[in-house]
Amino acid sequence: AIRMTQSPSSFSASTGDRVTITCRASQGISSYLAWYQQKPGKAPKLLIYAASTLQSGVPSRFSGSGSGTDFTLTISCLQSEDFATYYCQQYYSYPLFTFGPGTKVDIK
Amino acid sequence: EVQLVESGGGLVQPGGSLRLSCAASGFTFSSYSMNWVRQAPGKGLEWVSYISSSSSTIYYADSVKGRFTISRDNAKNSLYLQMNSLRDEDTAVYYCARVGVGASPIDYWGQGTLVTVSS
Repeated sequence: AIRMTQSPSSFSASTGDRVTITCRASQGISSYLAWYQQKPGKAPKLLIYAASTLQSGVPSRFSGSGSGTDFTLTISCLQSEDFATYYCQQYYSYPLFTFGPGTKVDIK
Repeated sequence: EVQLVESGGGLVQPGGSLRLSCAASGFTFSSYSMNWVRQAPGKGLEWVSYISSSSSTIYYADSVKGRFTISRDNAKNSLYLQMNSLRDEDTAVYYCARVGVGASPIDYWGQGTLVTVSS
């Protein structure tokens, strides 16, 4: 089974910061990587798929990059509504999906 | 607008059973594969089960294989999860989730229903 890791597991940031979250797959997954945002008590929301394609309606301050085993999610200018937990998901082994453990972004 | 609404969660004793339902609307349900994903309290997301649009292909996570059964009724735009032999570690919010067309990630999620397994 493909295992996903994320770093850091959590960190504090300020509004306006540029933040980067890293996701790593235990084997190559090409670009079959998605990113989700989840706020407390809410369902996850798809932000990015195919490693770098922005889902419709997602602000352009979000971007993704990478292929193979190493991926990043970048928020160029953190807004108050972006404080949340972010998960990566591989779908290379579709439909046997696996998620990363999550990265919590909170207010400094 | 795509809507997925889960129901059927609740408190059940270890060893008991529960059936979750998911009502879909806002899209052609019969054209999409569906999943159940769960999240234990304070924990991350865990994929549970997948069913193709025609029910011809079904997969389960090892943690639920032999205990859970996924099914769907395309005439009723509904997805189901029959959960038997429930364990404490099955306690979680269960999400109904749609997969996009082709080999795609999950693109829409329901609001979730809480299942608590406790004596």
